[in-house]
This record gives sequence, C-alpha cells and structure tokens, in this order.
Amino acid sequence: SQTIHQWPATLVQPVGSPLSLECTVEGTSNPNLYWYRQAAGRGLQLLFYSVGIGQISSEVPQNLSASRPQDRQFILSSKKLLLSDSGFYLCAWIFGQAPRNGYTFGSGTRLTVV
Amino acid sequence: TQLLEQSPQFLSIQEGENLTVYCNSSSVFSSLQWYRQEPGEGPVLLVTVVTGGEVKKLKRLTFQFGDARKDSSLHITAAQPGDTGLYLCAGVTGNQFYFGTGTSLTVIP
Repeated sequence: SQTIHQWPATLVQPVGSPLSLECTVEGTSNPNLYWYRQAAGRGLQLLFYSVGIGQISSEVPQNLSASRPQDRQFILSSKKLLLSDSGFYLCAWIFGQAPRNGYTFGSGTRLTVV
Repeated sequence: TQLLEQSPQFLSIQEGENLTVYCNSSSVFSSLQWYRQEPGEGPVLLVTVVTGGEVKKLKRLTFQFGDARKDSSLHITAAQPGDTGLYLCAGVTGNQFYFGTGTSLTVIP
C-alpha cells in the first residue's frame, strides 16, 4: 500500500533561521508530489509541485523553495524564515494525472516562526 | 482564479441533527472532490463526483454535483461527534485542483 511520511510534526523556529521539511512516499514510483500551506484551518494554498526528479514548479513566488532529489522524496526549504511563513504545511501525492484520483496527504507540519 | 466559496464557514450542531454544506463557484469543473480534515492531520478524500447532477452516498453522507458542474453540496444525516472536522471541497479542471474556503463543523454530544 502507498503511504506518505512527513516530518517533523511541529516546529518552532526563530525569524531568519533556515527551514527544511521532508516528505517521502512509499509503495509507488514516479508520483506527482505537492507542497501545500494551510492558514488557520482554512483552505489550502498550493506552493510547489513536482512531476519527477529535479522538476519543480512554483505556484506562488515567496521565501520558500522546493527540491526533489529522489523519486519519492520532496523537500521544502527556506534560507531565512519570515513571520508570515508560519502555518500548517502539507505534503501530498496523487497517482498519475487522473483528476478522478484525489490527493493523499501527509499528516502535516505545524510551523511557528517566532 | 477559480474561487470556490463554501458556506457556512462555521457550523455547530447537536448530535442527531441534519446539516448541509455548500460549495459554490462561477467556474465549471470536470470533477469535484470533498475532503474531511481533523485537527492536526491532513485532509482525507471522502468522494469524487464527475457527472453533472450526480449523487453519491457514503453511509450518512450524501454528495451532489450541480447540473452545471459549478457547485456541490454535502448533506449529513443524523450527525455524530465523529463527523466533527473541517470539510473542504476541491474543484478539478484538467490537472489543477482548486480548494474551497472550508467549513468547520462541530457536532456536540
């Protein structure tokens, strides 16, 4: 079965510090991978998506970047965090490109920038 | 921007009551999905509807896709505390997903 792992679960970081969130998928190959941010339990904002190793598409220009060093690994990074980067970050994958298939989300990382 | 508005934004009801959540847009979607998210967790897919007018039932939950494929509703019969969570709709066009603004449901025992 396919599973998605995301860590850490919670993170408190000072302004100006770097960030690295990791997401890995098991039980599938060549998944489409996504990073979303959710503010205050509301709707989801797509940040980045990747259809393969080294292929990153950015939806929102901002202080964050993403990388996909391996087929089933997706990393969200920042060199210097801002207060506005606080939020709930979710990694997700979807099998192929079929819209009938929904997202499978990780359990999320609650990031608080102080 | 294809905006999906959900209503109500917040809903607090007693156990056993019925409720309906709405997801509206001015855009047409090829399909529409509903997710439920519990606090501190990622959303979980409940259903996908793909045909205008389609109705799907999942135990006490009934999902309907509008005839024009611009809107959807989620009806819960005899709500239970386990139904508590954030309900998100997502419209799909091609390979693009557009999430709604969310409805936070609390079912009081």
